[in-house]
Amino acid sequence: QVQLDQWGAGQLKPSETLSLTCGVSGGFFTGYYWSWIRQTPGKGLEWIAEINHSGNTNYNPSLKSRVTISIDTSENQFSLKLRSMNAADTGVYYCARGQETRDFWGQGTQVTVSS
Amino acid sequence: EIVMTQSPATLSVSPGERATLSCRASQSVNRKLAWYQQKPGQAPTLLIYGASTRATGVPVRFSGSGSGTEFTLTINSLQSEDFAVYYCQQYDNWPPITFGQGTRLEI
Repeated sequence: QVQLDQWGAGQLKPSETLSLTCGVSGGFFTGYYWSWIRQTPGKGLEWIAEINHSGNTNYNPSLKSRVTISIDTSENQFSLKLRSMNAADTGVYYCARGQETRDFWGQGTQVTVSS
Repeated sequence: EIVMTQSPATLSVSPGERATLSCRASQSVNRKLAWYQQKPGQAPTLLIYGASTRATGVPVRFSGSGSGTEFTLTINSLQSEDFAVYYCQQYDNWPPITFGQGTRLEI
């Protein structure tokens, strides 16, 4: 069974950078796109970005200027960096597998931005 | 970007009855429409893709229909574990993929 485990700091101050990593186990890492999705009180579920094992990326245009997604195929991990965090970025961040639909999800990380 | 609108925001139904949830797209998404279920404190889980194909392990009481801009998720013979929030998601025109705001199904 595919399992996604995510980790990273969940408490940030305004202007700081969010860094999250998602580790994948129990299935193939290559051949899939890997995504970050967030759920905020203001916008609900919002797709952030995705990457595949070759490093091909797609970004949500609304966040693209602040986001970097990267992948480490040797560790079966992928990561998210979201710069210049503000209160509107507070929410739960998920990693997930898939490009069109997401069939496996991480457990979620509560991220709170507060001074 | 395509805007997905779900209705109603909250649906109250009794166990054993049928629930019908709607999702409308701001432009045609053909049949590139998925449904997810989310329970409190959990990540969403994929129920339906391609508008009507059940994901692995999804009970047959869940069915999806529609194409273009109008879609429906029907849940027959509601079980206690079905009370949750349901989201639709389009993947016809991306990036970005977009989600509806959700329908809360309550007892």
